[in-house]
Amino acid sequence: GDSVTQMEGPVTLSEEAFLTINCTYTATGYPSLFWYVQYPGEGLQLLLKATKADDKGSNKGFEATYRKETTSFHLEKGSVQVSDSAVYFCALSVTTGGGNKLTFGTGTQLKVEL
Amino acid sequence: DAGITQSPRHKVTETGTPVTLRCHQTENHRYMYWYRQDPGHGLRLIHYSYGVKDTDKGEVSDGYSVSRSKTEDFLLTLESATSSQTSVYFCAIRDRGLGSEQFFGPGTRLTVL
Repeated sequence: GDSVTQMEGPVTLSEEAFLTINCTYTATGYPSLFWYVQYPGEGLQLLLKATKADDKGSNKGFEATYRKETTSFHLEKGSVQVSDSAVYFCALSVTTGGGNKLTFGTGTQLKVEL
Repeated sequence: DAGITQSPRHKVTETGTPVTLRCHQTENHRYMYWYRQDPGHGLRLIHYSYGVKDTDKGEVSDGYSVSRSKTEDFLLTLESATSSQTSVYFCAIRDRGLGSEQFFGPGTRLTVL
């Protein structure tokens, strides 16, 4: 079946450090890939997405590139801020007859310190 | 923000009691989903709906049932709550279209004693 593997957390960084959160996937079809972010006590918000190979999703300084050859969708940001502290989820969806269902990774907690 | 509300936002109940969680949307989206979030598991799909009266099971559907009698409401029912169903429950909605994203509600924290 479909699955998503992302790096274990928590990840602790100093403000302005470079961020990478690794995400790899296994899928039977041609998935769309997503990064969601969850701030404490809130629901998930879409951060960025990519729908086909070599697409780059970007938002709020975060980027991720859909790499079909390595089945990866790593999240990067050049300079993190304290306000980026949250849990980040990588997810995929594959078109099915009953609707696109999301398969999530287990989430990576990011803590950014001054 | 996508127009999704969940009720109640918090609930404490006892083992063996029935519980119904409600998801309400104002976006007129066709697809609605129920997930549970547990530490170490991320989010897992319980049930989903692709239209009024059209529902299907997700990967963790045992012990749960759903109903969708109108486009805007998707109900999740625990017929007889167990402690293993203590979790945070999220509803999500999605419009049509390949690659379209899901929008999530604020969640319901359920504790089964």
